[in-house]
Amino acid sequence: DSGVTQTPKHLITATGQRVTLRCSPRSGDLSVYWYQQSLDQGLQFLIQYYNGEERAKGNILERFSAQQFPDLHSELNLSSLELGDSALYFCASSPAQGAQPQHFGDGTRLSIL
Amino acid sequence: SQQGEEDPQALSIQEGENATMNCSYKTSINNLQWYRQNSGRGLVHLILIRSNEREKHSGRLRVTLDTSKKSSSLLITASRAADTASYFCATGRGGSQGNLIFGKGTKLSVKP
Repeated sequence: DSGVTQTPKHLITATGQRVTLRCSPRSGDLSVYWYQQSLDQGLQFLIQYYNGEERAKGNILERFSAQQFPDLHSELNLSSLELGDSALYFCASSPAQGAQPQHFGDGTRLSIL
Repeated sequence: SQQGEEDPQALSIQEGENATMNCSYKTSINNLQWYRQNSGRGLVHLILIRSNEREKHSGRLRVTLDTSKKSSSLLITASRAADTASYFCATGRGGSQGNLIFGKGTKLSVKP
């Protein structure tokens, strides 16, 4: 058990809809990262937050947004969903900001119909 | 975009044999990490090697790093069926940005 909790585990929705994925980091970890894993693109970094502030941005679409709350949990919001957004979305956490070992949740599998 | 490229993409071996996976990357790095992913699960950190290190061991794992060739290898000795998983290398550039850039992974199958 990594200590990182992601909900929901599975999400099925339709094109054009909006969803929110939630992540609770490992106790004591201040950094949260979001990754998207798909068969064609592999594992892509989306965004990093550290203690509530955005620290790094990767290949995150403008339709996607995230935030980290004072209790350090994070949410990833995906809107105007398209078929191509179907993927596994992972949250990971680490104690500090730098390139340290990250602890991954088991992901949210998003299926767009 | 992918930073690392693992080689081979898939590897099938018998239990007890050694498995070697290679990773190449493109830009300068602060460290290189290897992760394992069991089917449908999250990634699990295996080992981290810093840019000033050449070799590191952890149990049955041996990692080497050649910064001049921008490459790394992961050796799993005396493999077990439970080692069946996908293995990814990931590079970090350090600083305040902790995001990792992952390769596409090597799918390892260990047959009992």
